[in-house]
Amino acid sequence: NAGVTQTPKFRVLKTGQSMTLLCAQDMNHEYMYWYRQDPGMGLRLIHYSVGEGTTAKGEVPDGYNVSRLKKQNFLLGLESAAPSQTSVYFCASSPSLAGEQFFGPGTRLTVL
Amino acid sequence: AQSVTQLDSQVPVFEEAPVELRCNYSSSVSVYLFWYVQYPNQGLQLLLKYLSGSTLVKGINGFEAEFNKSQTSFHLRKPSVHISDTAEYFCAVSERNYQLIWGAGTKLIIKP
Repeated sequence: NAGVTQTPKFRVLKTGQSMTLLCAQDMNHEYMYWYRQDPGMGLRLIHYSVGEGTTAKGEVPDGYNVSRLKKQNFLLGLESAAPSQTSVYFCASSPSLAGEQFFGPGTRLTVL
Repeated sequence: AQSVTQLDSQVPVFEEAPVELRCNYSSSVSVYLFWYVQYPNQGLQLLLKYLSGSTLVKGINGFEAEFNKSQTSFHLRKPSVHISDTAEYFCAVSERNYQLIWGAGTKLIIKP
C-alpha cells in the first residue's frame, strides 16, 4: 500500500496563477484533510472532507477551494495564488474524525 | 478540546540524556491524545496515542507519554535520546467525534 501520496512535491507559482494539489489515499478512509505548515505556527487546517462529495471549512479556508469527487482523492485548489500562500501543504486521511491521521509527504509551494 | 499548548518551541538536550516535551490542553470532556513526529523534510507520523485505559502509553523509538487528567497534560518522555531523534514533535488532542486540535510543535535539538 502506498498510503497517502501527494502531487506535486514542489511547485513555484507567480502571483495570480492557479494550481491544483492532488492527494490520494489507498486505505479506504472516509476522512481527508488539507493542512498548511508555516514556521512557528504548527499545522493549520484548511479544509476537510467527511466523505465522498462532502467538504467543510477548517481554520484557514480563505483563498482555497477543495473537491472530493472520489473517495480516494482530495483536491486542493488555489484560484489566484498570493505570496501569503507560500507554505508546505500536507494532506492526511483517517478512518474516523477523532482518530489517528495518516499524512502524505507534503508539497512545498512558493508563490513569487 | 479548545486549545493545545506545547510549552517549549525548542528543547536542546545532550545525546544520551533524558528529555521531556510538554503538552497541555484545555477540555472539559473525555479526549483522545496523540504525539506525532516530523523528521526533517518529511511528513508527520504517529509516535503514540492515548484512547483509554492505562495512562502510561508507550510508542515507537523508546518514547512514552503519561496522561494526567487532573493537570490536563500529556507530556512526552524518553530516558536517553539519540542524534536520530532530532525532529519536530507535535501534540494533538481530539474530543470524541470531533477533529484533532494541534499544538504548535516542539523542535528537539540533540547536542553531541
